[in-house]
Amino acid sequence: EAGVTQSPTHLIKTRGQQATLRCSPISGHTSVYWYQQALGLGLQFLLWYDEGEERNRGNFPPRFSGRQFPNYSSELNVNALELEDSALYLCASYYQRTGGDGYTFGSGTRLTVV
Amino acid sequence: GESVGLHLPTLSVQEGDNSIINCAYSNSASDYFIWYKQESGKGPQFIIDIRSNMDKRQGQRVTVLLNKTVKHLSLQIAATQPGDSAVYFCAEKRANAGGTSYGKLTFGQGTILTVHP
Repeated sequence: EAGVTQSPTHLIKTRGQQATLRCSPISGHTSVYWYQQALGLGLQFLLWYDEGEERNRGNFPPRFSGRQFPNYSSELNVNALELEDSALYLCASYYQRTGGDGYTFGSGTRLTVV
Repeated sequence: GESVGLHLPTLSVQEGDNSIINCAYSNSASDYFIWYKQESGKGPQFIIDIRSNMDKRQGQRVTVLLNKTVKHLSLQIAATQPGDSAVYFCAEKRANAGGTSYGKLTFGQGTILTVHP
């Protein structure tokens, strides 16, 4: 079974530009979570999509947005990039399993804003 | 406010020793906890989880202890190996909490575990 795939692995953008990050969940998983992990810090919740709809979002400005496609893959868009947006962006595929919740993370996209 | 935090940011141990990584949480409504391991350049990897109706759960070389009285969670790794070197995160979730907490995992800051041969 293929895991969660994220692309690109690395992305370098200039301040003020837009970045688009992509995530493909595990086949059959309908939920996708996005997290931001700044260097040396924990994971901060960004967005949660399920069945094509945004279910919840974290404490981030509106220039962080995304969507989920009919095949359950997801896209995270960051507009008007700022230097502090430089971070590892992680996507997690979610399913509810017997005995616990299953979150499988991808390896992330390293976004660098210069 | 809600938070999940760790007592120690770094932990160094010798190969073969047992490791204990601690985590504190502030919301008594939390009912599900997960420990993750994150190696350099990779996403977090599930280690073990525990529900709030339990106080201990064991896996292969790992044990999670939950003390709801003091809102404390710990991860014990037996016979620590160099391959265990990584950052360890605890995460908590409040099932069906509604509102801003609905459905999301809240992560702690992480503990860097270094295992010396």
